[in-house]
Amino acid sequence: QQQVRQSPQSLTVWEGETAILNCSYENSAFDYFPWYQQFPGEGPALLIAIRSVSDKKEDGGFTIFFNKREKNLSLHIKDSQPGDSATYFCAARRGSALGRLHFGAGTQLIVIP
Amino acid sequence: EAAVTQSPRNKVAVTGGKVTLSCNQTNNHNNMYWYRQDTGHGLRLIHYSYGAGSTEKGDIPDGYKASRPSQENFSLILELATPSQTSVYFCASGDAETGGRQNTLYFGAGTRLSVL
Repeated sequence: QQQVRQSPQSLTVWEGETAILNCSYENSAFDYFPWYQQFPGEGPALLIAIRSVSDKKEDGGFTIFFNKREKNLSLHIKDSQPGDSATYFCAARRGSALGRLHFGAGTQLIVIP
Repeated sequence: EAAVTQSPRNKVAVTGGKVTLSCNQTNNHNNMYWYRQDTGHGLRLIHYSYGAGSTEKGDIPDGYKASRPSQENFSLILELATPSQTSVYFCASGDAETGGRQNTLYFGAGTRLSVL
């Protein structure tokens, strides 16, 4: 069963807009939520991550909003650029799981100039 | 920056044949992982390792074996390849404490495997 779900599957925005990517999870024991960015032909790379003790994490133009009660989070990409076009994976892990990340199916973001 | 190298980058195999995918990392990470990526499923964990000589089953281990002969190398073995194993395979390495970025996984560029 899919423990981490992402929506939408694909998202198209205009350059300069804010892209919002959504993620939800099933397991209340998950406490670490990284987002990975993947360009075609490459492996995923860590973009930004949040722990369940926080409700917001910012890094440059990327912000994670986390709602522990609702078991969901979102990635906001402010002032989207064509170079942000990629697939974004939400992942989750329990504290003791030593890297056993559970990944969502991904959101493909297209930023139109 | 962590370096994870996979080989081959592309592989075509026949049904019933044996396939070995190799992974090498140069950053002395203890943990290494094999994932497969399929449309609609994201990345799914096949096998992982905590160090040389250890292998553990992930979420979808059936049909796969793994080998960790050294800290640097981690192989994924398909003894009898089937068309359902056609996928893109990613190797990753990481540690619980990696320069303050706890448990960051560093991925290789992937191996595209087609089983005919």
